[in-house]
Amino acid sequence: NAGVTQTPKFRILKIGQSMTLQCTQDMNHNYMYWYRQDPGMGLKLIYYSVGAGITDKGEVPNGYNVSRSTTEDFPLRLELAAPSQTSVYFCASSYSSRGRRYEQYFGPGTRLTVT
Amino acid sequence: KQEVTQIPAALSVPEGENLVLNCSFTDSAIYNLQWFRQDPGKGLTSLLLIQSSQREQTSGRLNASLDKSSGRSTLYIAASQPGDSATYLCAAYSGAGSYQLTFGKGTKLSVIP
Repeated sequence: NAGVTQTPKFRILKIGQSMTLQCTQDMNHNYMYWYRQDPGMGLKLIYYSVGAGITDKGEVPNGYNVSRSTTEDFPLRLELAAPSQTSVYFCASSYSSRGRRYEQYFGPGTRLTVT
Repeated sequence: KQEVTQIPAALSVPEGENLVLNCSFTDSAIYNLQWFRQDPGKGLTSLLLIQSSQREQTSGRLNASLDKSSGRSTLYIAASQPGDSATYLCAAYSGAGSYQLTFGKGTKLSVIP
């Protein structure tokens, strides 16, 4: 199993551009998440999904959009990129059943710079 | 709102020493707590998950404990090695209805040969 994969690894955007960060997991996990990690600030949840077709906002959703059309894929869309969106983005997935939550598994991250 | 704190932010120990990393949380209605390791420029690697009904979990040289009443978790690393050098993060779900993991800012561990 590849686990959680993310593309691209690095990206530089100009202010106002848009892009999609890709995330795929092959563990048949029902839950998927997007986090951003800023130096000294810890990880913050952007969006999450509890299954195909179901998404919800996390702590810092402004400026981002997500969709979940399949169990495997959970792309994150940045519209009108701003310097404040310079960060490292991590996708994660986990399994949950009957209210129990199991380990979250993380992808290798996408380092995004907006200039 | 759950808050997770890890102190100290950085720790340096000689190789072979046993050590304890600390994690505290404000909401005792914790659902479970997960410890991660992060190497520079890399993603997070899950080390241990403790369910709220458990008091500890062990994996190799690692032992994690959970004390909900005091709002604390510890990660014990036995016989530390230079390869253990990394940032260690703890994260907690707050309550049965929460889908959000709240992360601490991590403790950066350096094991000196």
